Amino acid sequence: GQSLEQPSEVTAVEGAIVQINCTYQTSGFYGLSWYQQHDGGAPTFLSYNALDGLEETGRFSSFLSRSDSYGYLLLQELQMKDSASYFCAVRGTGGGNKLTFGTGTQLKVEL
Amino acid sequence: NAGVMQNPRHLVRRRGQEARLRCSPMKGHSHVYWYRQLPEEGLKFMVYLQKENIIDESGMPKERFSAEFPKEGPSILRIQQVVRGDSAAYFCASSPPEGGSREQFFGPGTRLTVL
Repeated sequence: GQSLEQPSEVTAVEGAIVQINCTYQTSGFYGLSWYQQHDGGAPTFLSYNALDGLEETGRFSSFLSRSDSYGYLLLQELQMKDSASYFCAVRGTGGGNKLTFGTGTQLKVEL
Repeated sequence: NAGVMQNPRHLVRRRGQEARLRCSPMKGHSHVYWYRQLPEEGLKFMVYLQKENIIDESGMPKERFSAEFPKEGPSILRIQQVVRGDSAAYFCASSPPEGGSREQFFGPGTRLTVL
C-alpha cells in the first residue's frame, strides 16, 4: 500500500517563507504532486516532481528525494490568499493513473 | 474552454434513497477519476474510468456504489440505498488521453448530505 504523512497545520505570517513536508511509504510511483484546496473548493494542481531535486514555479517550489522518501512544498512571499489546505499525492506504478493523497496540511497565513 | 463540470453541486437524500452524481470531463479528456473527501480529511480514490471501461475500481465500496462512463454523455457515480456515512464531497477529475499525465483537473465537487 501507499501512505503519505503531512503536518496537520502550519501557521506563518504574510511575506514569510513556509515549507510543508511530506513523507511517504510506497512501493513505487511515477512522481510526487502537490495540490491546493481552499475551503469548499476543488483541488488545484501546483507542482510535480518526477525526478529528485527542486522544481520552481513562481512563488511555489517543490522538492523530492526518493532515497529519503521525502518531499516538500516551499511557498515564498506568503499572501493571505495562500491560506488553504495543501496535499501531496503520488501517482502509482501499479497500473492506471490514480492519485493517492496525503493527510493534508492546513496553512494559515496571518498579518 | 470549460473545465470539469459536476452536477448537482449539492445533493440532499434521505437514508435508503439513491444518489446520482454526474461529471463531464474537460474537452478532449478521456480519463475520468472519482474521489471522495470526508470532512477534515484528504481525498480518497474511488474509481478510474475511460470511455465505456472501468480501469481501476480498487477504491470503490463493494456494495451500493457503481460508476460508468458511457460512449456519449457524462460519467455517473451512483450510490444506492444511501446511509449517513455516505455524506461527503465527491470530486471528479479528468486527464488527457496520453498516458502519464502529470496533472489531474478537478471539478467543483458534489456535496452529498444524507439525512
